Amino acid sequence: AQSVTQPDIHITVSEGASLELRCNYSYGATPYLFWYVQSPGQGLQLLLKYFSGDTLVQGIKGFEAEFKRSQSSFNLRKPSVHWSDAAEYFCAVGANFGNEKLTFGTGTRLTIIP
Amino acid sequence: DTEVTQTPKHLVMGMTNKKSLKCEQHMGHRAMYWYKQKAKKPPELMFVYSYEKLSINESVPSRFSPECPNSSLLNLHLHALQPEDSALYLCASSGTESTEAFFGQGTRLTVV
Repeated sequence: AQSVTQPDIHITVSEGASLELRCNYSYGATPYLFWYVQSPGQGLQLLLKYFSGDTLVQGIKGFEAEFKRSQSSFNLRKPSVHWSDAAEYFCAVGANFGNEKLTFGTGTRLTIIP
Repeated sequence: DTEVTQTPKHLVMGMTNKKSLKCEQHMGHRAMYWYKQKAKKPPELMFVYSYEKLSINESVPSRFSPECPNSSLLNLHLHALQPEDSALYLCASSGTESTEAFFGQGTRLTVV
């Protein structure tokens, strides 16, 4: 069965510092991978996705993620965080289509300090 | 238009009430979903509609009844809910040619 692990429940970084959020997945085939961001009480916004091709994926808001098949990882990075990046970040694998199901990790809460 | 619109944004209902949540998208997507999200938890899939037919029901209690009147609309009918059903209900859609799901802003449901 597919699964996603986000080992960091909560991360605190200073504004302007770099960020890396970890995501490890388990999936039987070539995975579809996603990062979503959720502000409190809001819906999920897609930051970026990986289906195939270049393993370094660029997303919105200056985020990028790198797919590493050998490590079953899809870590999210940003070179310089802004206070507005404070939110909950979810990594997800799979697809809600046909008999598949999109599986989310438990999320990482990002706090930004001045 | 890359939006999924959900109404209402907030809903308070009693345990004997009947209410409906609505979701609309105009992206031509043929798959639509309902998720339930409790505080500090990831979204949990409830239902999937593909080409207006129910394709996945994640063993959701019958007090939740989904409906897909057409390819742009998705409803979730609520009846005799319990306080533990209080949560953020998220609608999402995805196309047939891509698999990323676009989420609405959710309906915050409180059952009293």
